[in-house]
Amino acid sequence: SQTIHQWPATLVQPVGSPLSLECTVEGTSNPNLYWYRQAAGRGLQLLFYSVGIGQISSEVPQNLSASRPQDRQFILSSKKLLLSDSGFYLCAWSATGTGYTFGSGTRLTVV
Amino acid sequence: KNEVEQSPQNLTAQEGEFITINCSYSVGISALHWLQQHPGGGIVSLFMLSSGKKKHGRLIATINIQEKHSSLHITASHPRDSAVYICAVPPTRFGAGTRLTVKP
Repeated sequence: SQTIHQWPATLVQPVGSPLSLECTVEGTSNPNLYWYRQAAGRGLQLLFYSVGIGQISSEVPQNLSASRPQDRQFILSSKKLLLSDSGFYLCAWSATGTGYTFGSGTRLTVV
Repeated sequence: KNEVEQSPQNLTAQEGEFITINCSYSVGISALHWLQQHPGGGIVSLFMLSSGKKKHGRLIATINIQEKHSSLHITASHPRDSAVYICAVPPTRFGAGTRLTVKP
């Protein structure tokens, strides 16, 4: 069966520090992968998506970047966090004809 | 105007009540999704609909493609159904969510 792992669950980081959130998918090949952010009281916003290794599309210009070094690994990064980067980050995957499966999320607080 | 509109924003019900959450969309779709987000934040996909009706336990989802409207129904609601329900046309279009609270 397919599963998605996202970590860490919570993270408190100082302004200006780097960020690395990792997401891995098991039980499927060549999934479409997504990073979303949900600000407090707001809806989901797509940040990045990837249809294959090394293929990253950005939906929103920002302080973040994404990479897909392996087929089932998706990483969200920042070199220097801003206060405005605080939020709830979700990874998700999909494949043709399937629904979307979301990770458990990372709650990031930048202080 | 948001391309995916949900109503109501907030809903409080007594245990056992029949719940309806509505979703209207203004974009072309191949499928519409209903998601459930619990207080901890994790999101679970409930339904993926392209036509008609689907049922899973006490949850029923319907969609009318011509009217661009979908509904999520919960029969015999229970406090554990308390969550935010999100109508979505992934990967980019999400409703603002309906916060459901079911009181015992």
